[in-house]
Amino acid sequence: GENVEQHPSTLSVQEGDSAVIKCTYSDSASNYFPWYKQELGKRPQLIIDIRSNVGEKKDQRIAVTLNKTAKHFSLHITETQPEDSAVYFCAASIGGYSTLTFGKGTMLLVSP
Amino acid sequence: GAVVSQHPSRVICKSGTSVKIECRSLDFQATTMFWYRQFPKKSLMLMATSNEGSKATYEQGVEKDKFLINHASLTLSTLTVTSAHPEDSSFYICSAREGLRDEAFFGQGTRLTVV
Repeated sequence: GENVEQHPSTLSVQEGDSAVIKCTYSDSASNYFPWYKQELGKRPQLIIDIRSNVGEKKDQRIAVTLNKTAKHFSLHITETQPEDSAVYFCAASIGGYSTLTFGKGTMLLVSP
Repeated sequence: GAVVSQHPSRVICKSGTSVKIECRSLDFQATTMFWYRQFPKKSLMLMATSNEGSKATYEQGVEKDKFLINHASLTLSTLTVTSAHPEDSSFYICSAREGLRDEAFFGQGTRLTVV
């Protein structure tokens, strides 16, 4: 089955800096790659996703890149703010009825 | 995004009793629902996948007789933790998908404490 590796497990940045979280996947059939943000004790919130037919997608300060050949995708957050502090999960799926396989998560800490 | 509502948000029960957790899709038809368990500072562990009207598919190592899942309608799935024990204490969270759409949306989770 699919295996998703996520790095780093913890990332500390200063407010205003950029943050990058990287994930790799194993199943070349995977074609849907969402990113979720989970604040302590709350539900994971879908913040951005990308499908295998594009290489990059942006939404304000957040961007995701996908390299299908290398089977890795990354989340980029620019101009980080303290409210960006949370655990971020990447995931991969074949889409449709298939399950999402999650990475282990990255705890992002943004210091004022 | 779509709204998924999960209840209760917190429950404390005595060892040996059963607890039912509900997961509802409020503004879409959830053809597929997923149940996860999350330990502190850990990732989401998939327990089972259910499709409306059919039996749930459980992940390896998850006891189907202990964690009963019922997806009786396109808007409701329930997880019943039977004969709960302290080791079942955890954060349980559901997510739902509509049809063949890729996006999955999460409920707010249930903090179960078994005493």
